[in-house]
Amino acid sequence: DGGITQSPKYLFRKEGQNVTLSCEQNLNHDAMYWYRQDPGQGLRLIYYSQIVNDFQKGDIAEGYSVSREKKESFPLTVTSAQKNPTAFYLCASSKARGGDQPQHFGDGTRLSIL
Amino acid sequence: QQQVKQSPQSLIVQKGGISIINCAYENTAFDYFPWYQQFPGKGPALLIAIRPDVSEKKEGRFTISFNKSAKQFSLHIMDSQPGDSATYFCFGGGYNKLIFGAGTRLAVHP
Repeated sequence: DGGITQSPKYLFRKEGQNVTLSCEQNLNHDAMYWYRQDPGQGLRLIYYSQIVNDFQKGDIAEGYSVSREKKESFPLTVTSAQKNPTAFYLCASSKARGGDQPQHFGDGTRLSIL
Repeated sequence: QQQVKQSPQSLIVQKGGISIINCAYENTAFDYFPWYQQFPGKGPALLIAIRPDVSEKKEGRFTISFNKSAKQFSLHIMDSQPGDSATYFCFGGGYNKLIFGAGTRLAVHP
């Protein structure tokens, strides 16, 4: 079955540490997205990529970085500059670029501070 | 303006009742209005979607009503079931715009 795989499911970060969240899709989708979900808030866009080797900042990109070296993969690094990283992180993909496409989501990574 | 305002924040419905969740948007460039359903510990999944050229779309027990002039759309869940208990997100999207509502936590009591 095609889908999006996020790993790990749970992740703990120490002070001053960078951590990387994995996102892999086998849907042959061009566009991929990273969202952050906090309790009582909707999903907020961190970064998105419309094609390999290209990505754009979303609404809350500060303290995060991404890469898109392969169509199937869009890892997110939470850097030490992100002072409040505790959240549920969701990766998504869509067939083509744009907010006018249905998005398919992974089951998320929950990041906590040690 | 980019906001999508969703209400209510939480909703309790008896089994067999109708659940209604509302969203209002500001950006007239939005041309895609889906609803996503999310269960605890899972990612959201597309439930039903509408484009602004129609005023209503029905799929089984789920209906989207869309009012373009008022810039509002709503999700109606008929004959609500305990298995519908989840968080629901509306979404406003266009070519380079993606905005989620804050979510509505629905609890359907037996």
